[in-house]
Amino acid sequence: AQSVTQLDSQVPVFEEAPVELRCNYSSSVSVYLFWYVQYPNQGLQLLLKYLSGSTLVKGINGFEAEFNKSQTSFHLRKPSVHISDTAEYFCAVIGGATNKLIFGTGTLLAVQP
Amino acid sequence: DTEVTQTPKHLVMGMTNKKSLKCEQHMGHRAMYWYKQKAKKPPELMFVYSYEKLSINESVPSRFSPECPNSSLLNLHLHALQPEDSALYLCASSRLSGDTEAFFGQGTRLTVV
Repeated sequence: AQSVTQLDSQVPVFEEAPVELRCNYSSSVSVYLFWYVQYPNQGLQLLLKYLSGSTLVKGINGFEAEFNKSQTSFHLRKPSVHISDTAEYFCAVIGGATNKLIFGTGTLLAVQP
Repeated sequence: DTEVTQTPKHLVMGMTNKKSLKCEQHMGHRAMYWYKQKAKKPPELMFVYSYEKLSINESVPSRFSPECPNSSLLNLHLHALQPEDSALYLCASSRLSGDTEAFFGQGTRLTVV
């Protein structure tokens, strides 16, 4: 079965600093990988997705992620964060027979001035 | 129109009340989903409808009753809920079940008193 691990529950960072949010997945079959963002009291918005092809995926709001099959990782990065990036970020996977979207536990990105 | 609209945004109900949550999309999507999200937790899948038919029920208690009257609408009927059912209820849709991009609504914040 597929699963997603986000080891960091919270990542504090200063404004204009770079950030990396970590995501590792486990699956014995090909997977589709996603990063979603959730602002306070809001629904989820898709940041980016990896389906196939180039391992470097660019998304909205200046975010990008790199799919690494050998390390089973899909880390999210941004070279310079803004206060407005403060939100909960969820890594998710679809794969295997279930075709269900499985979420990680989330990482709170807390951008400080 | 890439919106999934949920109403109401907030709902407070007693344990003996009957209420309904509503979700609407006009993207022509044939799969619709209900998720439950507790505070500081990832969304958990409750139900999946594919072509207006219930395809997945994640062992949800019968006090939650989904309904898909047509391809654009999804309801969640609530009856005799418990305080622990208080959560953010998210609706989502995708072109097809298990499709690689799901669009989420803003959610209904439910409080059971």
